[in-house]
Amino acid sequence: DVKVTQSSRYLVKRTGEKVFLECVQDMDHENMFWYRQDPGLGLRLIYFSYDVKMKEKGDIPEGYSVSREKKERFSLILESASTNQTSMYLCASSFVTANEKLFFGSGTQLSVL
Amino acid sequence: AQSVTQLDSQVPVFEEAPVELRCNYSSSVSVYLFWYVQYPNQGLQLLLKYLSGSTLVESINGFEAEFNKSQTSFHLRKPSVHISDTAEYFCAVRKAAGNKLTFGGGTRVLVKP
Repeated sequence: DVKVTQSSRYLVKRTGEKVFLECVQDMDHENMFWYRQDPGLGLRLIYFSYDVKMKEKGDIPEGYSVSREKKERFSLILESASTNQTSMYLCASSFVTANEKLFFGSGTQLSVL
Repeated sequence: AQSVTQLDSQVPVFEEAPVELRCNYSSSVSVYLFWYVQYPNQGLQLLLKYLSGSTLVESINGFEAEFNKSQTSFHLRKPSVHISDTAEYFCAVRKAAGNKLTFGGGTRVLVKP
């Protein structure tokens, strides 16, 4: 079974802290994605990566950055956490072709106080 | 840019009754269409997808969706729901030549006994 593992299920941070969310996949997928999920807004794409060291902005990249140094790992970084970044963060991966489905991790519920 | 609208945020339905979840998309190019499901306390998983060919696609658990190009819709239906179908359902669209998967706001289905 494909596995997409997010390092933390729940995370509580303070305003202004630098936050790292880690995601690892074990299927040699080229594409990796970070979404945030908020009630009524569905999933919104923050960033995605289609290869090592390659990244593209999604729909809501402000306040976030990403890092992909190895194919299996995709990190989301909140440079200075703010309360409006309290959300469920979902990582996903897929093969490169557009008809391939995404495999999702279980999510990280981040609370910024 | 592509976008997805799910017209109903919540759909309560009695067990063994039919259900329809509406999804409309906008895109100026050819797209692939997906329905993902998120059961309580679980990650998202693919329910079904439309890539090409027959406009009616089915899932293994009795759901079906019909692609209607003229109405830019991809509604999801099930003729008789079970308690276990209680979940949140997300419609998503991806350009045939792209990487980015755009989700709708989600529809919560609550199946009542």
